[in-house]
Amino acid sequence: AQRVTQPEKLLSVFKGAPVELKCNYSYSGSPELFWYVQYSRQRLQLLLRHISRESIKGFTADLNKGETSFHLKKPFAQEEDSAMYYCALKGGGSNYKLTFGKGTLLTVNP
Amino acid sequence: GAGVSQSPRYKVAKRGQDVALRCDPISGHVSLFWYQQALGQGPEFLTYFQNEAQLDKSGLPSDRFFAERPEGSVSTLKIQRTQQEDSAVYLCASSLQEREQFFGPGTRLTVL
Repeated sequence: AQRVTQPEKLLSVFKGAPVELKCNYSYSGSPELFWYVQYSRQRLQLLLRHISRESIKGFTADLNKGETSFHLKKPFAQEEDSAMYYCALKGGGSNYKLTFGKGTLLTVNP
Repeated sequence: GAGVSQSPRYKVAKRGQDVALRCDPISGHVSLFWYQQALGQGPEFLTYFQNEAQLDKSGLPSDRFFAERPEGSVSTLKIQRTQQEDSAVYLCASSLQEREQFFGPGTRLTVL
């Protein structure tokens, strides 16, 4: 079975502060990990995926297989980063299902 | 181009009524997914289509839930004899084969 855990429901930081949204997963094989974001009144959209190893809007996430984690980080938070963030896992091979965590609501205060 | 669209955006049903939720995927996307998102939860997989074939319906919570995609494009999720626990946002997503899933705005279903 595959499972994604986001331990923080709410996270509040000040503008310019570093932010880290935690994600841990459980999967027996080699998963693909994603971060999705949902801004207020907008649809769910892909932020980044671990296989791309890219930085999007200043966010990065590294897959740590030893700790089964995929934490999302940004060194200097901006007010426009305020949103709901979901970590998601897709199993390897032909496994197409996305398994989501419960989400973390990030608020960046001015 | 247009993204994934869903209709209606909001649906209120009395307990016991049948409802039908529609999804229009991005043109050319062969894969289509339905997810259910209860309040305070992340989306949960319901079912998956590749073209018109329903390849996985393991996430459908009961036999009251039925999905179809007869021509490999538009899909309909039908819920019969709705119950209060069916209240949720129903999300549709489409993708090119196993590429990125693009989500629709969702249909918020409230069962009274």
